[in-house]
Amino acid sequence: EAQVTQNPRYLITVTGKKLTVTCSQNMNHEYMSWYRQDPGLGLRQIYYSMNVEVTDKGDVPEGYKVSRKEKRNFPLILESPSPNQTSLYFCASSLTGNHSPLHFGNGTRLTVT
Amino acid sequence: AQTVTQSQPEMSVQEAETVTLSCTYDTSESDYYLFWYKQPPSRQMILVIRQEAYKQQNATENRFSVNFQKAAKSFSLKISDSQLGDAAMYFCAYRGDGGSQGNLIFGKGTKLSVKP
Repeated sequence: EAQVTQNPRYLITVTGKKLTVTCSQNMNHEYMSWYRQDPGLGLRQIYYSMNVEVTDKGDVPEGYKVSRKEKRNFPLILESPSPNQTSLYFCASSLTGNHSPLHFGNGTRLTVT
Repeated sequence: AQTVTQSQPEMSVQEAETVTLSCTYDTSESDYYLFWYKQPPSRQMILVIRQEAYKQQNATENRFSVNFQKAAKSFSLKISDSQLGDAAMYFCAYRGDGGSQGNLIFGKGTKLSVKP
C-alpha cells in the first residue's frame, strides 16, 4: 500500500532532550516536506527536500533539522526541544516539487514540557 | 505571495443534503493546482479532490465536486448527499510551479458538522 509512515504518533518529552521523528514513504517520491499544525495558525512548512541530499528551509525552520540521505526517508530532528515546539507535525511527500498532490503521514502529536 | 482564504470557519449540513464550502485564492501564476483536503477527528490529512488550473472542466470525485472560477480565483467544494462521515475540517490548498518551495499553501479551514 502506498503510504507515508511517520513515527511515533504521540511523543511527550522534556525541554532540551533531543528527539527524532521518523518519516518514510514507499512511493519513490522526489519531494518531501515537514509541516506543523497549530490552532489558529494552520499548517506551516518547516523544511522541505526536492531530492536526496537537497534540503532547504521552509517558513518556520528555527529549532529543527532534517536530513535526506535516502530517497524514502526524511527524519525531523529537534536538537533541544522547547515548549513552543509543542504541536501536531505532519510529514508529506509528492512525486515532484510542484503541481502534484502532497500525501500526508498520520501525524505526530508532540508535547514538550 | 500566494494566499488562500476560507471565509467560513464553520458550516453545518443535514444528512443527505448538499453543502458548499467556499475558497478564494490569490496568485500571479498562470499554472497551478488546487486541492481540497479533509481532516477528520483522527487528524489524518486526506486528499479529497484536485483541480488543474489549465483545465476548464470542474473536477468530480463521487459525491464531491468543485466549482472552479479561474478569473474570479474561486474554488468551492460541493458535497452532495452528505454523510455523517463527512464531518471534518476541510482545507483548501494551492500549489504552484515550484518557485514557492514546493509549498502547499493552506487556508485556515472550515469545520463541517453533519446533523443526523
